[in-house]
Amino acid sequence: GAGVSQSPSNKVTEKGKDVELRCDPISGHTALYWYRQRLGQGLEFLIYFQGNSAPDKSGLPSDRFSAERTGESVSTLTIQRTQQEDSAVYLCASSPEQVQNEQFFGPGTRLTVL
Amino acid sequence: GDSVTQMEGPVTLSEEAFLTINCTYTATGYPSLFWYVQYPGEGLQLLLKATKADDKGSNKGFEATYRKETTSFHLEKGSVQVSDSAVYFCALSEIVRGNKLVFGAGTILRVKS
Repeated sequence: GAGVSQSPSNKVTEKGKDVELRCDPISGHTALYWYRQRLGQGLEFLIYFQGNSAPDKSGLPSDRFSAERTGESVSTLTIQRTQQEDSAVYLCASSPEQVQNEQFFGPGTRLTVL
Repeated sequence: GDSVTQMEGPVTLSEEAFLTINCTYTATGYPSLFWYVQYPGEGLQLLLKATKADDKGSNKGFEATYRKETTSFHLEKGSVQVSDSAVYFCALSEIVRGNKLVFGAGTILRVKS
């Protein structure tokens, strides 16, 4: 079946511009996570959605970062007024309710801020 | 807070050598433990997992045992292949924290033929 998909695969933007990154989770997966992987580093948790519950935003690095999810489907991560330190690969993962500790990752969006 | 520490790389081995990548963790509760792998040019994939003490996760010849007494989850493989060259990430998650993954920094493995 289809896995997690993300778009765009690559995004180059100028400092100060806003960007939107999209994630399509596996159909039926109730949980959705965003992570960031900066060059040479491990992954950092950003935000987590579970069903209709309020999202866990504890990993967002600043108020320039926000995310939305429509029901149990698509999610959009928005970064406003991008900075060079925002350059990273942004990964989305989804998880089924039955095996809540198993996450399936998308291919990521590589963001480069010039 | 929760954290994961894994050995720094890169680790360079010859084909058929024995592999160990050390991983230790700190957690306030009772986490599930994972190894993820990222092959060159590909996305992150779950390699194996263990959800309780003394469980052994295994896949593709790789093994790791959940050791609560030493808070460790070391990855081992008896005979590596060139195709195992990748970045390996140790991670943990806790249900009470929404199962968000806490990752180690990753270990690059290079296997030479």
